[in-house]
Amino acid sequence: GQSLEQPSEVTAVEGAIVQINCTYQTSGFYGLSWYQQHDGGAPTFLSYNALDGLEETGRFSSFLSRSDSYGYLLLQELQMKDSASYFCAVCSNTGKLIFGQGTTLQVKP
Amino acid sequence: DAGVTQSPTHLIKTRGQQVTLRCSPKSGHDTVSWYQQALGQGPQFIFQYYEEEERQRGNFPDRFSGHQFPNYSSELNVNALLLGDSALYLCASSYRTDWGEKLFFGSGTQLSVL
Repeated sequence: GQSLEQPSEVTAVEGAIVQINCTYQTSGFYGLSWYQQHDGGAPTFLSYNALDGLEETGRFSSFLSRSDSYGYLLLQELQMKDSASYFCAVCSNTGKLIFGQGTTLQVKP
Repeated sequence: DAGVTQSPTHLIKTRGQQVTLRCSPKSGHDTVSWYQQALGQGPQFIFQYYEEEERQRGNFPDRFSGHQFPNYSSELNVNALLLGDSALYLCASSYRTDWGEKLFFGSGTQLSVL
């Protein structure tokens, strides 16, 4: 089977840096994706890691360690608009994407 | 360039009824996946369609079925609705070689079963 674990809630202040961790157990692992979802909105793609290491996209970075079955999403220079739910998702070698339960990020002024 | 479109946006049904949800993928995409998202939960994989066939399926009963048309659009059908089927149903599209790396989601259909 497949399972993912991520914290349910994280709170940070504007301008700060926050890290959202994700650990997973899966067979046929192909890569780890991150999605953002605002209340009432559709999930939107943030980043994808297939290989170990850090991927940077603007204020967002994502890290993967395949040997540890672990990844994280790093959000820098937090803004109020970053308040949303963040999901890690495991991509299997069959193309199936399985989501975690999500982390609700609250950014405070 | 239109993104993923879903219809209807909201739907109210009663137990035992049947429902059909529709999805048009992003231009250039040929693979459609359907997800169910309960309030406060992550999206749960229902199934994936490619070349008009169901390629993969999650842990959902046979009451959930689907179809993909030659123009890559897709339908999700749910029979014998239960109260527990109330959720946001999301359609996501991708290109087959992306292997699920990057999905584009529609805004979903909010289904309420009374």
